[in-house]
Amino acid sequence: DSGVTQTPKHLITATGQRVTLRCSPRSGDLSVYWYQQSLDQGLQFLIQYYNGEERAKGNILERFSAQQFPDLHSELNLSSLELGDSALYFCASSPAGGGVYNEQFFGPGTRLTVL
Amino acid sequence: AQKITQTQPGMFVQEKEAVTLDCTYDTSDQSYGLFWYKQPSSGEMIFLIYQGSYDEQNATEGRYSLNFQKARKSANLVISASQLGDSAMYFCAMSPPPGGKLIFGQGTELSVKP
Repeated sequence: DSGVTQTPKHLITATGQRVTLRCSPRSGDLSVYWYQQSLDQGLQFLIQYYNGEERAKGNILERFSAQQFPDLHSELNLSSLELGDSALYFCASSPAGGGVYNEQFFGPGTRLTVL
Repeated sequence: AQKITQTQPGMFVQEKEAVTLDCTYDTSDQSYGLFWYKQPSSGEMIFLIYQGSYDEQNATEGRYSLNFQKARKSANLVISASQLGDSAMYFCAMSPPPGGKLIFGQGTELSVKP
């Protein structure tokens, strides 16, 4: 158990809908990262938050947004869902905001299925 | 652009034998980190080992060691004495400066035979 929690574990929804994925980082970790794992694209970095502020952005679609709250939990909002958004969404956390040695602890993931 | 390449989509190894999973990377940065993660069929991502670009010695963590050849830009994972529980997907990843995000390879599926 990494100490990172994600809810829900599974989510099934329809095209055009909006969903929210939630992540609680390990106690004491200030950074939260979101990744998408799909068969087509593999594991891709979406976005990083550090202590409430956006720190880095990757291949995140405009239909997706995220935020980190004062208690450091984070939410990833996905809207106008398409079939291609079906994937496993991981949240990871780390103590620091940067540095190349930045071991990230991954949550169990949320499996999103868009029908 | 930074890139991680894992050329072995699938590998088989006999239980108790050693196995090497290949990883090459492409970067023009001098400072970077290299990571290996394991993803069992249950889906979670488990951190295995880390190597910094300035580390002169190869990293080791129990049965895992990282064969780091900087000039060749390779960071192969060696698993000694394979166990059935080692059957999983293995991902090589790089952390470029300023750090934060991880860039992952496509993964290698390892199957350990009894």
